[in-house]
Formats: sequence, C-alpha cells, structure tokens
Amino acid sequence: QKEVEQNSGPLSVPEGAIASLNCTYSDRGSQSFFWYRQYSGKSPELIMFIYSNGDKEDGRFTAQLNKASQYVSLLIRDSQPSDSATYLCAAFSGSRLTFGEGTQLTVNP
Amino acid sequence: SQTIHQWPATLVQPVGSPLSLECTVEGTSNPNLYWYRQAAGRGLQLLFYSVGIGQISSEVPQNLSASRPQDRQFILSSKKLLLSDSGFYLCAWSVGQLNQPQHFGDGTRLSIL
Repeated sequence: QKEVEQNSGPLSVPEGAIASLNCTYSDRGSQSFFWYRQYSGKSPELIMFIYSNGDKEDGRFTAQLNKASQYVSLLIRDSQPSDSATYLCAAFSGSRLTFGEGTQLTVNP
Repeated sequence: SQTIHQWPATLVQPVGSPLSLECTVEGTSNPNLYWYRQAAGRGLQLLFYSVGIGQISSEVPQNLSASRPQDRQFILSSKKLLLSDSGFYLCAWSVGQLNQPQHFGDGTRLSIL
C-alpha cells in the first residue's frame, strides 16, 4: 500500500467548474498536509497546507482534512485553463514529507 | 523574502562520471534543506535532509551523498553516476520545525548517457 495515494487522472473539467482532487494517506500519525501544483517541466509550487480537521480556504482554493477517514482534498473553484497542471498531495509524518504521485488536472476552455 | 538557487538547470553526464549539484538559499538563517529526486511521471522521493551545518540525514541508501558546508548551502554529490541516477533533482528549504511547508528550487534535470 502506498503511503500517500492519489487518483492519477487525468481529471478534466470545464472552465468555471469546481475541480475536486482527493488524496488518502496510510499513516495515522501524519501531522500536516500539503498541496503542491506542478506545471509540466517545472518544480512543485506550494499552494495550500492544512494541519487541523476541517476546511481551510485561500482564494479559489479550499483544502479539506478528515483525519478520522485519513483523507485530504483540494477544491479549486472557478477553474481556469491556467490551473491545468499536476497536483501533488503530501503528508508529513515522523521526520519527512511523503508525496503522492500526483493527479493531472486539465481545465478545458 | 527568501529565495532558493539551484544549478545547473540541465545536465548530461556519462555513466561513471562524478556529480556535484549545488543549492543555496537567501533571505533566511538556519533553514532546513532537502534534496529530492523525481523520476518521470512519478512523485518526489526524499534523498537527504539537513537541519544544520554538517548534519545530514539519508533517507534512501544509494549512489549519492550530500554535504552542508555552510548554513545556506547544500550539495548533492556522486563519485560514479549510474543510469538509474537520471531524474529531476530538486532542492527545497523550510524553517522551524520539519513539519512546516517546504519550498522548492527550479530543479536540475539530469540525464545519464
């Protein structure tokens, strides 16, 4: 079982729609969770982090954490073509950050 | 504000040759520093991290080594590259506790021939 699992996609949504990206993790001791956006050929860029159960909103992005169910999600409202990228979920446990393999999102104009 | 510099951007090396990749951080003191590798179409694999000068933790035994000769400098090395060392190498930094957000440099794309 992978430590951090994501649906590889591709996930395709129309412009203006809500994109929902999901992630599950296996280590119940995971303390903090991160979402990174990675454009093709570029390095990952941090877009959200969340430490506590519930929702955290930042602009068009909302991160949701449910520790009991061991899942993290990222919602992107009013999706734009510029949001087309691979989204990496990461969970911190022990002394390191473990990344999922990413979900490829395509936003169609 | 903090910035991270990583070079070179691309590198093509023959099998068996040595490697040295350098990463420097500006605008912060005593950062935590990390080296990751990303294989094509895959997630990031943590290779090494450092919480201070001369302190290196290795996550995966392999053909690589890391050093931190100065507070804001992190170096990834190899004496003899293998074909399997190809990948996208990323340096990252964070401050404070290790569970804080990490920020990545632009990366080095390494191809081994």
